[in-house]
Amino acid sequence: AQSVTQPDIHITVSEGASLELRCNYSYGATPYLFWYVQSPGQGLQLLLKYFSGDTLVQGIKGFEAEFKRSQSSFNLRKPSVHWSDAAEYFCAVARDAGNNRKLIWGLGTSLAVNP
Amino acid sequence: DTAVSQTPKYLVTQMGNDKSIKCEQNLGHDTMYWYKQDSKKFLKIMFSYNNKELIINETVPNRFSPKSPDKAHLNLHINSLELGDSAVYFCASSQVGSRASSPLHFGNGTRLTVT
Repeated sequence: AQSVTQPDIHITVSEGASLELRCNYSYGATPYLFWYVQSPGQGLQLLLKYFSGDTLVQGIKGFEAEFKRSQSSFNLRKPSVHWSDAAEYFCAVARDAGNNRKLIWGLGTSLAVNP
Repeated sequence: DTAVSQTPKYLVTQMGNDKSIKCEQNLGHDTMYWYKQDSKKFLKIMFSYNNKELIINETVPNRFSPKSPDKAHLNLHINSLELGDSAVYFCASSQVGSRASSPLHFGNGTRLTVT
């Protein structure tokens, strides 16, 4: 069965520090991968997506993620965290680019940022 | 312009009541969704409509009935509300009918509290 694992439930970093949020997936074929962010009281917003091509993808708000097929991972990174990055982060997998109707979601990683 | 708007933002009601949540998207997308997010932030898809046709109907009590009058609107009606229905309900939309479908666009959620 397909699954998405976000091993870290909660992470705290200092403002200005680098960040890496982990995401591992279990899927037989080439996955289509997404990272979404949910700020407090808000809906989810797409940060970035990987469909094909360059395995390092750039997203909004200075985030990037790298697809590593050998490790079944799609980790999210940011070189310098801002206080406004405190939010919930969700990794998700879709079966194919043309059908994201039924995404498989991770349980989320809650990010806190210390001043 | 709000892309995906849902009303109300907060809904507090008593057990046994019937309530509705409305959702509208102005993105021209062909597919709309209802998600439920529980207190642990777990996201679970409930329904998906493509061009007013029900595509996904997960294991949801039949007290929940979605209605899509047109492809820009997807409403959720809940009968005989129970305590366990308390959650945040998100509406979302995407364009699926193309080779590379768009990611999900979420509304800001409706926080339902059943007392």
